[in-house]
Amino acid sequence: DAGITQSPRYKITETGRQVTLMCHQTWSHSYMFWYRQDLGHGLRLIYYSAAADITDKGEVPDGYVVSRSKTENFPLTLESATRSQTSVYFCASSQGPPNTEAFFGQGTRLTVV
Amino acid sequence: GENVEQHPSTLSVQEGDSAVIKCTYSDSASNYFPWYKQELGKGPQLIIDIRSNVGEKKDQRIAVTLNKTAKHFSLHITETQPEDSAVYFCAAYILTGGGNKLTFGTGTQLKVEL
Repeated sequence: DAGITQSPRYKITETGRQVTLMCHQTWSHSYMFWYRQDLGHGLRLIYYSAAADITDKGEVPDGYVVSRSKTENFPLTLESATRSQTSVYFCASSQGPPNTEAFFGQGTRLTVV
Repeated sequence: GENVEQHPSTLSVQEGDSAVIKCTYSDSASNYFPWYKQELGKGPQLIIDIRSNVGEKKDQRIAVTLNKTAKHFSLHITETQPEDSAVYFCAAYILTGGGNKLTFGTGTQLKVEL
């Protein structure tokens, strides 16, 4: 299907475990983003990528790792999950920089116990 | 860095009434201001945006106004309908030496009551 898809939709993991959230887009958009959404904080940027093999930190990057070996994929890894990383994670993509329309995935609800 | 404040956090209106959501930003160099709508269980979706070279933009029942001097912008929804019920996010974009930054407000839960 065309668009941007995230997997899994829901994930429960234990503190200290490594977990990877997947994001795939079919538009060949240059830019991809990872946000986390928490009550009272809105959407906060974790990492973004302007192209394959180019990534940069956002507002809250600590504890997260990203890679972009292919244009269409932008996985987000929590190296050692903590309870403070319990959140809803959204991946997004855009044809151009963030001053162009971003298209969001449906989100991944992650619970760290 | 850029800071975006959004008010109110919740807004309840009667069907057919107007709704207004306001945002302020801190960095005068910001030049792009989108509004996103998030329905329950879905990702945000762009509904309207405005760039710093215009003061107002309309699209059917929704409009956005921008006051660069005061550094605030607002979303106006007229003739509200139940399907307008959602969370709305404002955002401000700035291109800095540190990279491209789109900063979001904290969101407004709009409820349109029958």
